[in-house]
Amino acid sequence: QVQLQQSGPGLVKPSQTLSLTCAISGDSVSSNSAAWNWIRQSPSRGLEWLGRTYYRSKWFNDYAISVKSRITINPDTSGNQFSLQLNSVTPEDTGIYHCAREGSTYFDYWGQGTLVTVSS
Amino acid sequence: QSVLTQPPSVSAAPGQKVTISCSGSSSNIGNNYVSWYQQLPETAPKLLIYDNNKRPSGIPDRFSGSKSGTSATLGITGLQTGDEADYYCGIWDSGLYAYVFGIGTKVTVL
Repeated sequence: QVQLQQSGPGLVKPSQTLSLTCAISGDSVSSNSAAWNWIRQSPSRGLEWLGRTYYRSKWFNDYAISVKSRITINPDTSGNQFSLQLNSVTPEDTGIYHCAREGSTYFDYWGQGTLVTVSS
Repeated sequence: QSVLTQPPSVSAAPGQKVTISCSGSSSNIGNNYVSWYQQLPETAPKLLIYDNNKRPSGIPDRFSGSKSGTSATLGITGLQTGDEADYYCGIWDSGLYAYVFGIGTKVTVL
């Protein structure tokens, strides 16, 4: 059974960097058939896909246009996890951040969610 | 404003049926597989339907999915109080090159 365990701070100051990690058990971040995603949720924006990392003989990343200039998603093969970094955050980046496994065309396993508040 | 349109809410009495529509375009529903997610209060979304009409293991057959053209529908029969949740459609959009979600539909059991 795949499990995703999120960790990271719940409070970030404006203009700083939001950093979260998603630890994987029951699968590998280097899987050739899965992709590892970050999705955030807020009352104003609903569920918003942020981006993904995946391995298909080499590493690939895809990012949402809305955050492309500020986001990095990195795999950590030694720790079997992946991370999210979102730079230059503003209060608009406040929300619940979810990590999720993309099995094919859908998200079949989700982390527990992390509420991140951007505030001074 | 989402590229996928869902009704904000639907409601019905216990035991009745509800349907939730998800309307899109040729760059998403018209050419890709739809999935549906159930989000109970204070929990992460849960996969309910994938590839338009398939149910993951453990999802009861009271839940069904269908697709026609650029629209998809989630059906819930034998409505139970435990079905009160937000339901989202989701799909890869080939034009945006991004995964997109509907705004969500709140199901209320009267």
